[in-house]
Amino acid sequence: QKEVEQDPGPLSVPEGAIVSLNCTYSNSAFQYFMWYRQYSRKGPELLMYTYSSGNKEDGRFTAQVDKSSKYISLFIRDSQPSDSATYLCAPGVDSGYSTLTFGKGTMLLVSP
Amino acid sequence: DSGVTQTPKHLITATGQRVTLRCSPRSGDLSVYWYQQSLDQGLQFLIQYYNGEERAKGNILERFSAQQFPDLHSELNLSSLELGDSALYFCASSVLGGGDTQYFGPGTRLTVL
Repeated sequence: QKEVEQDPGPLSVPEGAIVSLNCTYSNSAFQYFMWYRQYSRKGPELLMYTYSSGNKEDGRFTAQVDKSSKYISLFIRDSQPSDSATYLCAPGVDSGYSTLTFGKGTMLLVSP
Repeated sequence: DSGVTQTPKHLITATGQRVTLRCSPRSGDLSVYWYQQSLDQGLQFLIQYYNGEERAKGNILERFSAQQFPDLHSELNLSSLELGDSALYFCASSVLGGGDTQYFGPGTRLTVL
């Protein structure tokens, strides 16, 4: 079993839809959870950072973490064509140094 | 713009050759990370440096090496290149390196012919 798994997609939705992107992980040592957005062949950019179970909201984005089931979600409300990108979940362990374990990402396509 | 710079943007070379990729972290960041991204493998962590010293090692091949200099810029050296080394190489930086946010550079696209 891979440490971090994401459905590769592509996930195609119309503009304005609510998008749900999901990620599962196997390592119970993961303590914090990041979502990165990557436009085609560009550097990933951080979207959300959560350090505990529960929900965190930032504008149109909500990150949800359920440590008991090792399940992470990213919700995008009122999706826009500019949201079309690959979304990478990246849990990490804070042990004095930081290494993130990236999922392979889910490609999202939002059509106008 | 994340503030992390990488040079060159593109690199085309032949098998067996050696190349050096360069990264300048954001101002104030002490940690530098190197990642490799290929189409089938996703983002793979290679190595982390903190203030000049190696902090963590991932799936880095013996043919690859890195270092972080006193001015905190970092170089990733790839030698005896193989076709399978063709990938995007990203550098990221963070303030400390213990669970804080990593900011990624634009990447270097390496093509080995």
